[in-house]
Amino acid sequence: DAGITQSPRYKITETGRQVTLMCHQTWSHSYMFWYRQDLGHGLRLIYYSAAADITDKGEVPDGYVVSRSKTENFPLTLESATRSQTSVYFCASSESLAGGAPNEQFFGPGTRLTVL
Amino acid sequence: QKEVEQNSGPLSVPEGAIASLNCTYSDRGSQSFFWYRQYSGKSPELIMSIYSNGDKEDGRFTAQLNKASQYVSLLIRDSQPSDSATYLCAVIPRNQFYFGTGTSLTVIP
Repeated sequence: DAGITQSPRYKITETGRQVTLMCHQTWSHSYMFWYRQDLGHGLRLIYYSAAADITDKGEVPDGYVVSRSKTENFPLTLESATRSQTSVYFCASSESLAGGAPNEQFFGPGTRLTVL
Repeated sequence: QKEVEQNSGPLSVPEGAIASLNCTYSDRGSQSFFWYRQYSGKSPELIMSIYSNGDKEDGRFTAQLNKASQYVSLLIRDSQPSDSATYLCAVIPRNQFYFGTGTSLTVIP
């Protein structure tokens, strides 16, 4: 099916473990984004990617690693999970406008991560 | 200073009324503006995008942009209980998306 998918949808892990959240889009959008959403903070950008092999930090990148070897995939890895990383994680994608800026974003269904 | 600011609400309106949601932004160079709706437990979904000064209408929704005053608003006419959600304003300065914290809207039957 076309669109943007995330897996897993729910994940429970323990402090110190490595966790990878997957994101896949079928639109061939150039931009992809990772956000976390916590009560009182709204959506906060973790990392984004303007194209394959190009990634950049967002507002809250510490403790996270991303890669983008293929246009359609943008995995997010928590190298050593902490309780403060308990959150809902959203992946999004967008086309690139003529000047290179991102356009409207479309979101995946989210991953609810709990770190015990 | 935050890039995007919204009144968190909650905003309550009776069914059939006009709901008015507002957003201000700090970077005068911002060119693209968006409104998203997010139901509880769901992901944000795009409602409107607006790129130039003035009004843009889509069904019951009207987005208004005033670059001189650096604000963007969303009007929802004939509000329905199904419009009850959190509305997020988003702005793109410097090739990066910034979201406001959202305004919670409740439409009372």
